[in-house]
Amino acid sequence: SAVISQKPSRDICQRGTSLTIQCQVDSQVTMMFWYRQQPGQSLTLIATANQGSEATYESGFVIDKFPISRPNLTFSTLTVSNMSPEDSSIYLCSATTPGTGELFFGEGSRLTVL
Amino acid sequence: AQSVTQLDSHVSVSEGTPVLLRCNYSSSYSPSLFWYVQHPNKGLQLLLKYTSAATLVKGINGFEAEFKKSETSFHLTKPSAHMSDAAEYFCVVTLMTGGFKTIFGAGTRLFVKA
Repeated sequence: SAVISQKPSRDICQRGTSLTIQCQVDSQVTMMFWYRQQPGQSLTLIATANQGSEATYESGFVIDKFPISRPNLTFSTLTVSNMSPEDSSIYLCSATTPGTGELFFGEGSRLTVL
Repeated sequence: AQSVTQLDSHVSVSEGTPVLLRCNYSSSYSPSLFWYVQHPNKGLQLLLKYTSAATLVKGINGFEAEFKKSETSFHLTKPSAHMSDAAEYFCVVTLMTGGFKTIFGAGTRLFVKA
């Protein structure tokens, strides 16, 4: 299994600013992911964080808006850039270990943009 | 094409009565199926998983699910609901053939009345 620590747990930000969310896993995992969960909704995959290379983004998400880093196997960051109120959401870090298909989740970062 | 349908957006039960949360899936490949639970202001936690072994899967907190290939269903059940079961439940399909792809259902909110 894997335990994922995510910070900040919540933040209130001003329009036009950027926020970086950090995700730390307590063991080596193969894949790391970033999801967005809007209020009352299911999870939407933003991107797969690739170690040492550019993240793989899903349709509708772009690197300029959501730059992602993964410098090693256990750490990743997601930046939400030039924020607007529409970016108010919960951002969840997730990871999986080889062959199981099981996803482990952080507790999420609840972002409110004013 | 792959998809997951949770047939009820909300389910309300009385404490001590059975719980049934319904999930149907569509997949061209042999999927792995999961149920996750999300309590308020928390990340997702794995309840149980089906990965082509026994069709009746037992999970944590007294939950179980039965994989029925003929009906393409993976319904979640619990004989007796507890107040602490009130949460959001997600049915998830993961495909590990030729990559890694996860599809989330829309979620079912479970309410438990005293």
